[in-house]
Amino acid sequence: IAGITQAPTSQILAAGRRMTLRCTQDMRHNAMYWYRQDLGLGLRLIHYSNTAGTTGKGEVPDGYSVSRANTDDFPLTLASAVPSQTSVYFCASSAGLAYNEQFFGPGTRLTVL
Amino acid sequence: AQSVTQPDIHITVSEGASLELRCNYSYGATPYLFWYVQSPGQGLQLLLKYFSGDTLVQGIKGFEAEFKRSQSSFNLRKPSVHWSDAAEYFCAVGAPGDYKLSFGAGTTVTVRA
Repeated sequence: IAGITQAPTSQILAAGRRMTLRCTQDMRHNAMYWYRQDLGLGLRLIHYSNTAGTTGKGEVPDGYSVSRANTDDFPLTLASAVPSQTSVYFCASSAGLAYNEQFFGPGTRLTVL
Repeated sequence: AQSVTQPDIHITVSEGASLELRCNYSYGATPYLFWYVQSPGQGLQLLLKYFSGDTLVQGIKGFEAEFKRSQSSFNLRKPSVHWSDAAEYFCAVGAPGDYKLSFGAGTTVTVRA
């Protein structure tokens, strides 16, 4: 089934630990995105990638890093997790420019203690 | 940079009644506008989008939205809601030539029998 997969589904993490959230799409979309969703704040863009090999910062990039080695995969890494990074993380992809629909994964619920 | 405001945090509506969700955007030219829906525990799904042409756009699940440039608004409507419409709704705006979207904080819709 075409779409976006994210792993893990949920995770509890000790503060200071390193964590990588995985995202894979099989739609051959050029653009991929990482958002965090927090109550009352909606979705905020963390990082994005227009195409394989390029990445850009979104609205809230601090404490997060991404890579885009190929078209399909877009992992998000928390180098040293802090409690304020407790959130639900969504990966999305689109064919490219902003008028294209973004397709969302099911999300990863991350708790940092 | 573009931004979106959804003035209503929570709306309760009776099944069969009409629904209108407000969205106001800030952008200097004609933006790309979207409405997404998120069912509990799920990722986001596109309801409809506008980027040019007829200002009244039809979407899935019986939803429609109207772009009003003079009011910088893109309100979402449904004539008769069903219990399955209970969800969180997000308005989003994108700029021509860009890859990113800015999301509003969301409106939670509760449907009572």
